[in-house]
Amino acid sequence: DAGITQSPRHKVTETGTPVTLRCHQTENHRYMYWYRQDPGHGLRLIHYSYGVKDTDKGEVSDGYSVSRSKTEDFLLTLESATSSQTSVYFCAVSRAGGTQETQYFGPGTRLLVL
Amino acid sequence: TQLLEQSPQFLSIQEGENLTVYCNSSSVFSSLQWYRQEPGEGPVLLVTVVTGGEVKKLKRLTFQFGDARKDSSLHITAAQPGDTGLYLCAGPSGSARQLTFGSGTQLTVLP
Repeated sequence: DAGITQSPRHKVTETGTPVTLRCHQTENHRYMYWYRQDPGHGLRLIHYSYGVKDTDKGEVSDGYSVSRSKTEDFLLTLESATSSQTSVYFCAVSRAGGTQETQYFGPGTRLLVL
Repeated sequence: TQLLEQSPQFLSIQEGENLTVYCNSSSVFSSLQWYRQEPGEGPVLLVTVVTGGEVKKLKRLTFQFGDARKDSSLHITAAQPGDTGLYLCAGPSGSARQLTFGSGTQLTVLP
């Protein structure tokens, strides 16, 4: 447990509306990530952050933006939600342990776009 | 992009049976990790394998890293219902400590 919370845990929204998901961590980790998880696709990286105001795109970034104004918070915004963005979204942090880094995940946000 | 393919995608077995799950790639990885995810939760790290040919054991779970560091396997002996979950392999990819994940194996162990 790396002190990661996500909010909301569940959300239903309509196509075309903006949606913001929040990830909050309490252990001052530098690296943070947003993934989406869909059946048959495992976890796919949307965006990541390597410090305050330092972010970059992942594999499936189209239609998403992120912001990190404080170390502890990493926000994911769906600018205009579409049905294809219905998914489970996970936030993660990277923490070094021994010689390898490990990612620790939040509990996820289940998003349904109608 | 380095891809990881997992097989089988789904596996349903009876309690007490043995099983093996595979994670394969055409690329060489410096290390591979295995995560387990239970319903409604995020993935949790089980193990990291680093050296080609390495074998690690975690109670009834045995993890092996291929000699060429392109594949890994997870063997469960005498599976129990508590082993039910989604098993994901992952390897380092790109910068900023990124990971590439396989598509996962959904394991169901029936009592």
